[in-house]
Amino acid sequence: GENVEQHPSTLSVQEGDSAVIKCTYSDSASNYFPWYKQELGKRPQLIIDIRSNVGEKKDQRIAVTLNKTAKHFSLHITETQPEDSAVYFCAASEGVTGGGNKLTFGTGTQLKVEL
Amino acid sequence: DAGVTQSPTHLIKTRGQQVTLRCSPKSGHDTVSWYQQALGQGPQFIFQYYEEEERQRGNFPDRFSGHQFPNYSSELNVNALLLGDSALYLCASSYKNTEAFFGQGTRLTVV
Repeated sequence: GENVEQHPSTLSVQEGDSAVIKCTYSDSASNYFPWYKQELGKRPQLIIDIRSNVGEKKDQRIAVTLNKTAKHFSLHITETQPEDSAVYFCAASEGVTGGGNKLTFGTGTQLKVEL
Repeated sequence: DAGVTQSPTHLIKTRGQQVTLRCSPKSGHDTVSWYQQALGQGPQFIFQYYEEEERQRGNFPDRFSGHQFPNYSSELNVNALLLGDSALYLCASSYKNTEAFFGQGTRLTVV
């Protein structure tokens, strides 16, 4: 089955700096890669996703890149703000139906944005 | 739209007991997936229900079972509870190619 590795496990940045979180996956059949943000005691919320036919996607301060050959995808957050502090999870899905299929999650990155 | 709702929010059970968790999907969604999230870990896929049938299953023992009702709501049942079953249980709903929306989860503590 699919295996997703995520690094780093913790990340501390100064407000205004950029943050990068990296994930690798094992199953070449995976073709949907969402990123979730989970604040303490709250539900995971989708912040951005990318499908395998796209190499990069951007939404305001957040961007995701995908390298299918290397089976590697990354989350980039620019101009970080204190409210970006949370745990971020990457995930991969093996099916063509994206979120409608089984998601395999990474172990999470605790991002702390310091003033 | 209330989104994905789960009940109860918290639950304490004794080892060996059985528990039932409930999930109402987001309006318009027909697929429900259940995940177990241990403290400090990412969610782990338990199983998925579509058209009242289990469509996919993760690496969880048969003690974990589920059901989906005609109104698309779902239940997760866990028998013979172990201490290691203590976790946050998340329900996610989706429709065809749309993203998976998660509920707030049920925090299960087994003592």
